Amino acid sequence: SQKIEQNSEALNIQEGKTATLTCNYTNYSPAYLQWYRQDPGRGPVFLLLIRENEKEKRKERLKVTFDTTLKQSLFHITASQPADSATYLCAPSYTGGFKTIFGAGTRLFVKA
Amino acid sequence: DGGITQSPKYLFRKEGQNVTLSCEQNLNHDAMYWYRQDPGQGLRLIYYSQIVNDFQKGDIAEGYSVSREKKESFPLTVTSAQKNPTAFYLCASMNGRRDNSPLHFGNGTRLTVT
Repeated sequence: SQKIEQNSEALNIQEGKTATLTCNYTNYSPAYLQWYRQDPGRGPVFLLLIRENEKEKRKERLKVTFDTTLKQSLFHITASQPADSATYLCAPSYTGGFKTIFGAGTRLFVKA
Repeated sequence: DGGITQSPKYLFRKEGQNVTLSCEQNLNHDAMYWYRQDPGQGLRLIYYSQIVNDFQKGDIAEGYSVSREKKESFPLTVTSAQKNPTAFYLCASMNGRRDNSPLHFGNGTRLTVT
């Protein structure tokens, strides 16, 4: 079965630095991969989507890369702010968009 | 504002009782989903529905039941057969007509069974 691995340990960084979060998957490459943000006690919120034929996608301070050879996606937040503190979920999708698998998420803390 | 509403936010039940979690959406989305989230684990799919009057089991459907009588509504019943029902339950919807559409989530119901 597919496994999605994200750093289980929290990532602590200083305000202004770039945060880099990793998502590794096993076996089959997804048709596309999504990243979500989740705040405590709330539902996940969609951030970015990258397709398997795309190497990189950007949105404001966010950047996602997708390497099908390494079976890995990296999620970057540049010029990080304390408001970026949250859990970030990686979610590959495999079949027609109706089956999305979620990683456990990485907790990010940005210190002022 | 369009969105997904889950109610209640917190729910407490005694062991052996069935409980129904509400999920309503006004996004006109075809597909709806129920996920369960436990600490340190990814979201796990319980049931999903791509169209009214049709639904499919997800990865952990045992002990749960759903109905999809209206496009806007997808209630989840946690039955007494579910061995570990205490969890955070998330409902989501997706515009099934668009390929690669993201999921839109509600803010969850935290169920505690004692």
